[in-house]
Amino acid sequence: QSALTQPASVSGSPGQSITISCTGTSSDVGGYNYVSWYQQHPGKAPTLIIYDVSKRPSGVSNRLSGSKSGNTASLTISGLQAEDETDYYCTSFTTSNTYVFGTGTKVTVL
Amino acid sequence: EVHLVESGGGLVQPGGSLRLSCAASGFTFSSYDMHWVRQSTGKGLEWVSGIGTAGDPYYPGSVKGRFTISRENARNSFYLQMNSLRAGDTAVYYCARETGGAFDMWGQGTMVTVSS
Repeated sequence: QSALTQPASVSGSPGQSITISCTGTSSDVGGYNYVSWYQQHPGKAPTLIIYDVSKRPSGVSNRLSGSKSGNTASLTISGLQAEDETDYYCTSFTTSNTYVFGTGTKVTVL
Repeated sequence: EVHLVESGGGLVQPGGSLRLSCAASGFTFSSYDMHWVRQSTGKGLEWVSGIGTAGDPYYPGSVKGRFTISRENARNSFYLQMNSLRAGDTAVYYCARETGGAFDMWGQGTMVTVSS
C-alpha cells in the first residue's frame, strides 16, 4: 500500500486561504469516507482535526474544513494564522482493511 | 480524561525483539479498536497495526509476520510485540484510539532505536 500523495509544502500569507491535497486511489480515498486529517507540531503527537472527510471534532477551529472529490481529499485552512504553521497529514481506510497515511505537508505562514 | 501512555521503547540490536505497551484510561477501552503508528525522525507517519474489539489484528505488509498486536481488556492495555527488528524500524511509536475510522486520541510516543 503506497502512501497517499500530499504536497511537501504549502505557504500563504496571514488571512489567506490555503488548500492541501491528499491523493490516493479508488482502493482508499476514493472508496471510503473514512478520510481524516491530523495536525502535528514539532516533537508532539498528532492531533485529529478532520474526520469522515469533512467533520470537525469538538474544539477544532471552523477555519479548517475538509472535502473530497474522487480519489483526492482536501484540507482548507481559511484566515491563515501564525499558529497554523506546522505539519499536516491525511489518512484513509483501505480495501485491505488497513490504514494509509499521506506523505505530509509543511504549512508555512509568510 | 482520556489518556494513553506508551512504554517499552529502547535500544535493541538488529534482529532483536522488543515489546511495546500502551495503557489506556478515561474511557471504556474494550469498546474501541486500537492502533500503533510510527514516525521515523524527520519523516512522515506510518500505520503499523490495529486490533479490533474482538482481538482481530490487522497489519500492513511492511510488518506482517514480524509484528504482533494484542490486547488485554482486563488491564486496559494493548501491546506490540516486534521481532526481527531492522534499522528501518527505528522510530517513535505512538498508540492511538480509533473512533469511526479516525485516530482521535494519541499517546505521547515511545522511541525505538534499532542499532548495533
